[in-house]
Amino acid sequence: DAKTTQPNSMESNEEEPVHLPCNHSTISGTDYIHWYRQLPSQGPEYVIHGLTSNVNNRMASLAIAEDRKSSTLILHRATLRDAAVYYCILNSGGYQKVTFGTGTKLQVIP
Amino acid sequence: NAGVTQTPKFQVLKTGQSMTLQCAQDMNHEYMSWYRQDPGMGLRLIHYSVGAGITDQGEVPNGYNVSRSTTEDFPLRLLSAAPSQTSVYFCASSYNVGGETQYFGPGTRLLVL
Repeated sequence: DAKTTQPNSMESNEEEPVHLPCNHSTISGTDYIHWYRQLPSQGPEYVIHGLTSNVNNRMASLAIAEDRKSSTLILHRATLRDAAVYYCILNSGGYQKVTFGTGTKLQVIP
Repeated sequence: NAGVTQTPKFQVLKTGQSMTLQCAQDMNHEYMSWYRQDPGMGLRLIHYSVGAGITDQGEVPNGYNVSRSTTEDFPLRLLSAAPSQTSVYFCASSYNVGGETQYFGPGTRLLVL
């Protein structure tokens, strides 16, 4: 199964943009790139997903490299509520094949 | 909609005891799953179900049983609790198995002494 690689931790100042990278060099053509985040003491929550084109929603933007071997989750203005662990996962045929790694712990500095 | 609900929120067991963690969803989702999350770790899939009456094993199924008699409910049974099963357990559901957004419950924190 295709795996993803993310930095263990990142810091950002409040109200500044945050770019969270994810490498997935063995991605297959049918893999969707999903991002979830987990706030302290809560279950993960969906953030965004995409296949080939960049995607925007009310929470974030997802930039996907042309060769799809990497992607970046963009939070346009980090708030203290965005402090969480962010998971980048690949999903092509069901969550039984999905691996949630350790993600990136984002710290937002006031 | 209540989404995905889990009970209890916290449980302490003694080694060898059995218990059932409850999970329910009111979104008419076909796919449901159970994960465990150990401190500092990502989520690992225990069991999953693609519909009522259909279940299968995930990455770490040993020591756990599941059944899916209705679309709404997906209980996880610990047959004989062990300290290694101390963890936070999350239930999740999605509309289908094909990669749609997954919705997670708030978790059950289990301590086995």
